[in-house]
Amino acid sequence: GAVVSQHPSWVICKSGTSVKIECRSLDFQATTMFWYRQFPKQSLMLMATSNEGSKATYEQGVEKDKFLINHASLTLSTLTVTSAHPEDSSFYICSARDSWGQGDREQFFGPGTRLTVL
Amino acid sequence: QQPVQSPQAVILREGEDAVINCSSSKALYSVHWYRQKHGEAPVFLMILLKGGEQKGHDKISASFNEKKQQSSLYLTASQLSYSGTYFCGTETPNSNSGYALNFGKGTSLLVTP
Repeated sequence: GAVVSQHPSWVICKSGTSVKIECRSLDFQATTMFWYRQFPKQSLMLMATSNEGSKATYEQGVEKDKFLINHASLTLSTLTVTSAHPEDSSFYICSARDSWGQGDREQFFGPGTRLTVL
Repeated sequence: QQPVQSPQAVILREGEDAVINCSSSKALYSVHWYRQKHGEAPVFLMILLKGGEQKGHDKISASFNEKKQQSSLYLTASQLSYSGTYFCGTETPNSNSGYALNFGKGTSLLVTP
């Protein structure tokens, strides 16, 4: 099946610094990728939809200037958490759908990135 | 709009069956079922697109009602490996997020020996 990778798997940073998380589709092309955030024992909440070659679409309540998304190619989307604070500590997961696949709209999730802000 | 999942949690003995429900107040385009183990990303189980559809593999199956507002996940003869949190993700027609999924709060399933 299709594989989505994320890098890094985990990151610990100091408050005020910026952190970049990469999401790659390894064996398929994805014009659209999604970024989710999951707090402990809670559900996955959609943060934004990343569109290749255009601006991301953010969900209500998600600060676009804080969570910068760049989808520079059909296989890579990046999420940069700027000026991170402890409340940004969470599990960030991306997903992608095969743009040209004949499948049933299945979405493939990356393994997630655990961010801890001290 | 977040779908409603029930039950919140369930504990089973190995070999027992379980049903997890997912419902929406509006008709859905599709329902996706995932299982997540602690600290890991969700793993895709199956997707249902058509009203009245039923599908499954091994001992895990799911249904989508005719009105496309309710789906159930059936786990039969449960195994220890079935333990985890089950999420349903739903798509609504004409979503501005273009295929993005709205996830329910999850159902925590624990299978004991």
